Parts: sequence; structure tokens; C-alpha cells
Amino acid sequence: DVKVTQSSRYLVKRTGEKVFLECVQDMDHENMFWYRQDPGLGLRLIYFSYDVKMKEKGDIPEGYSVSREKKERFSLILESASTNQTSMYLCASSLWSNYGYTFGSGTRLTVV
Amino acid sequence: ELKVEQNPLFLSMQEGKNYTIYCNYSTTSDRLYWYRQDPGKSLESLFVLLSNGAVKQEGRLMASLDTKARLSTLHITAAVHDLSATYFCAASNTGNQFYFGTGTSLTVIP
Repeated sequence: DVKVTQSSRYLVKRTGEKVFLECVQDMDHENMFWYRQDPGLGLRLIYFSYDVKMKEKGDIPEGYSVSREKKERFSLILESASTNQTSMYLCASSLWSNYGYTFGSGTRLTVV
Repeated sequence: ELKVEQNPLFLSMQEGKNYTIYCNYSTTSDRLYWYRQDPGKSLESLFVLLSNGAVKQEGRLMASLDTKARLSTLHITAAVHDLSATYFCAASNTGNQFYFGTGTSLTVIP
């Protein structure tokens, strides 16, 4: 089974801190995605990547950046954390869309 | 942008009953996905529907896709408590990006 591993399940950070959320997949998937999930808003795409060193903005990229230096790792960076970035962050990967996404277990981030 | 709407948003049903969750999407899509999410957990893939008329079944859940109507349904037969979860549908167009509905929170009452 494909595994998508997110480094932290729960994280508490202070306003203004730089925050790194790490995601690693072990099945050589081309595509990787970062979503945030908020009650009543569903899943919203932040950034995605189809290849190493490649990134594309999703629907809500403001306040975030990403890094994909290796195929298996896709990092989400909050440049200066703010309280409105408190959310559940989900990483996903896929080979092609015919197979659907495999999601990581999620990181619940609280910014205080 | 592909928009995906689910209804109902909340569903409370008694054990043993049948019900259907609906997923409409706004523009052409030939791929539709259903996911399940338990509280505090991540999303688990249930079904991948890749063509018009596709039907897939797993246990008490059956999903179908009508691309002409831009509609997918998730039918629950004889609900049991273990099916309590939030169910998401997602559509995909030519790219590899998925567009998710807001989810249907299902509670099965004994």
C-alpha cells in the first residue's frame, strides 16, 4: 500500500513563526498536493506539484509556499504564521488521476 | 473551475434504512471519486468512477456516475452504525487536480 506520511499530527505555533509541514510518500508518485480542511468549507487546494522542483498555485496560496527538492517529499511552508491559518492540513499524492489520491493522516495546526 | 456540490450536508438516519447522497458538478468531468473521513482522521478512498454509467459496490455502499447529468450518487443500503462518517465526492477534469465537495456528515442512529 502507498503510504503518505505527514511528520506531525498536532502542532502548536506562535503568530509570526515560520512553520514547516513535511510530507513524504513512498511509491514514486509524480503528483503531490497540499490541502487545508476547515469546517463548512471542505477541502481547499493550497499548492500542488507534478514533478521535482515544479509547483503550481492552488485556490488559496496566499501566505504559503512549497518546496519539492526530491520526488518523494513535498513541504508546505507558512512564511509567517497567522491565527487564520489554524486548520487541518492534508497532504496527498497520486500517480495519475485514474487512481485517485492517497492522503496522509493530516496535521492539525494551531497558531496562537 | 470545476465546482462540486453535495447534498445533503448532514444526514441522520436509522439503522436498517436506505438513503442516497448526491454529488453534482458544474462542468465536464469523466472521473469521480468518493472518500470517507472518520472524525479526526484523514480521507480514505472508497470508489473511483472513470466512465459514464460506472457503478461500483462495496458492502452496503454503491456509487454510480452519470456524466451526462453531471451527477454521482452514493447509495447506502441497510445502514449500520459503522457507516457513520463524513463522505466526500471529488471530480477531476483533464488535469490531475481534484475538486472536492463540502462533504456529507452521516450519523446512523441505532
